Amino acid sequence: DGGITQSPKYLFRKEGQNVTLSCEQNLNHDAMYWYRQDPGQGLRLIYYSQIVNDFQKGDIAEGYSVSREKKESFPLTVTSAQKNPTAFYLCASRSSGTDTQYFGPGTRLTVL
Amino acid sequence: ILNVEQSPQSLHVQEGDSTNFTCSFPSSNFYALHWYRWETAKSPEALFVMTLNGDEKKKGRISATLNTKEGYSYLYIKGSQPEDSATYLCAFGYSGSARQLTFGSGTQLTVLP
Repeated sequence: DGGITQSPKYLFRKEGQNVTLSCEQNLNHDAMYWYRQDPGQGLRLIYYSQIVNDFQKGDIAEGYSVSREKKESFPLTVTSAQKNPTAFYLCASRSSGTDTQYFGPGTRLTVL
Repeated sequence: ILNVEQSPQSLHVQEGDSTNFTCSFPSSNFYALHWYRWETAKSPEALFVMTLNGDEKKKGRISATLNTKEGYSYLYIKGSQPEDSATYLCAFGYSGSARQLTFGSGTQLTVLP
């Protein structure tokens, strides 16, 4: 089955620790995105990548980092510099030439 | 940062009722307007992409209209069913944005049996 997987579904970390969220897609999509959702707010763009080895900051990139070494994978690291990391994180991908983004099931990160 | 507003924030209807909700977006630099359905514990799923003023899209009992000149889109559900219960997100795509989307906060629909 083609799709986007995110792991883990729930993640708990202590304050001050870096944590990496996984996003993998087997849709052969060129573009990938990371969003954050907080209660009562829309999805906010953290980072996006249109091709391998290239990525751009979104609206709320501070305290986050990404890499895009393979087309299929776009991991997001939440660093200790992110002041309020507890949130729901969604990964998405998009095929070149289309506008529709396809989403993974999300990871809920709780920092204790 | 662009402002995309959805209303109402939440809505409860009885099974069989028809309902509609609104997405407002900037009327300049329009590229596309997306609607997604997001059921609890699932991934958001694309419903429609609309790009032209006056566009109307339909998928079963769900339809959407677009007015780019005044910056709004309506989503209609005819004869709501419990399985329509979900959060409906709209997303605005603006020209020159490398196909980034700006999302509204969603309308949470609950259809009561």
